[in-house]
Amino acid sequence: DVKVTQSSRYLVKRTGEKVFLECVQDMDHENMFWYRQDPGLGLRLIYFSYDVKMKEKGDIPEGYSVSREKKERFSLILESASTNQTSMYLCASSFRTSGGAAETQYFGPGTRLLVL
Amino acid sequence: GDSVTQMEGPVTLSEEAFLTINCTYTATGYPSLFWYVQYPGEGLQLLLKATKADDKGSNKGFEATYRKETTSFHLEKGSVQVSDSAVYFCALWMLKAAGNKLTFGGGTRVLVKP
Repeated sequence: DVKVTQSSRYLVKRTGEKVFLECVQDMDHENMFWYRQDPGLGLRLIYFSYDVKMKEKGDIPEGYSVSREKKERFSLILESASTNQTSMYLCASSFRTSGGAAETQYFGPGTRLLVL
Repeated sequence: GDSVTQMEGPVTLSEEAFLTINCTYTATGYPSLFWYVQYPGEGLQLLLKATKADDKGSNKGFEATYRKETTSFHLEKGSVQVSDSAVYFCALWMLKAAGNKLTFGGGTRVLVKP
């Protein structure tokens, strides 16, 4: 079974703190993604990566950065946490397919972040 | 841009009732369509998918048919159980030069009462 793990299930931080969220997948997937989930808004893509050291902005990258130094690990960084970044953060990974075949994403359990 | 619209919840129903969650999409081209489910306290799990028009995805008693003419992918289950209580997300996937990614609907919370 594909396993995507996230470093924390719950996290409480103060405004202005630097926050690191870690994600590790064990299936040698090329693609990794960070989303935030807010009620009524579904999932919104923050950043994604197709390979080591590669990163691409998603739909809402402002206030976030990412790092992918190893294939299995994708980190989300909040440089200076703010209260509007209180949310559920979900990591996902997928194989890179060929010929236009759909890529199924596998999700971690999520990190619920509260910024006070 | 691409978008997915699904019915707002919560949907509350009794055990053994019929469940339908509507999902429609807007996309330029021919997306693949997915339903993901999120059980309380967990991440998302793939429930089913369909990659071309008229395909039917099915899993765990759930079904959805890719209808290109109505740009829809409605989720159905004939007889729900309490364990089906969850949030359901419809999503589309497109092959794009700018990056292949999933676009999600807002999610529909389903509560099944005994």
